[in-house]
Amino acid sequence: EPEVTQTPSHQVTQMGQEVILRCVPISNHLYFYWYRQILGQKVEFLVSFYNNEISEKSEIFDDQFSVERPDGSNFTLKIRSTKLEDSAMYFCASGGQTYNEQFFGPGTRLTVL
Amino acid sequence: DAKTTQPPSMDCAEGRAANLPCNHSTISGNEYVYWYRQIHSQGPQYIIHGLKNNETNEMASLIITEDRKSSTLILPHATLRDTAVYYCIVRVDRNGGYQKVTFGTGTKLQVIP
Repeated sequence: EPEVTQTPSHQVTQMGQEVILRCVPISNHLYFYWYRQILGQKVEFLVSFYNNEISEKSEIFDDQFSVERPDGSNFTLKIRSTKLEDSAMYFCASGGQTYNEQFFGPGTRLTVL
Repeated sequence: DAKTTQPPSMDCAEGRAANLPCNHSTISGNEYVYWYRQIHSQGPQYIIHGLKNNETNEMASLIITEDRKSSTLILPHATLRDTAVYYCIVRVDRNGGYQKVTFGTGTKLQVIP
């Protein structure tokens, strides 16, 4: 069964460093998303991406964040200068044109020290 | 999207049916009821969705009341692997496959041996 994959599973970084979280969505999907979940809190929407551009973003997704689909398979989330409060699980998700469900990856745990 | 209300937690004996309720009294005619779940530290997983008819798939059944103001997710034979947080989400299906998910706090289901 096709699945969304994410790398790395755990990333530790120093405050102020740049990080790139990587996702490989399901191959024929067209819509791509990033969510985050701070420990003990709700899963929060960050951004959606369709047709090589951002289609919607939340208040959390400020100028420190960017997304890219550099090739036909990867979908990345970059945080330019990490802060302590960026520590969270980051989930990538993808959806197809005809599917009603969204498929989530296993997540990347980001720890900012 | 309409607001939903779920109990914060429930227990269920292994092998028994788990019935998870959700109230969505302000649901409008074009809003669907979706259920996702999140097993500890994993990405959310789509379970089922419906508009007004009852739905069943290999994972669960969804019973929606005739007035659509509430619904129940039924896991017919709960196993320990079904221990998770279950989210009831109400939303309009818009723009083809575009499916941003807004998560609440859900119901933490504990399946007891």
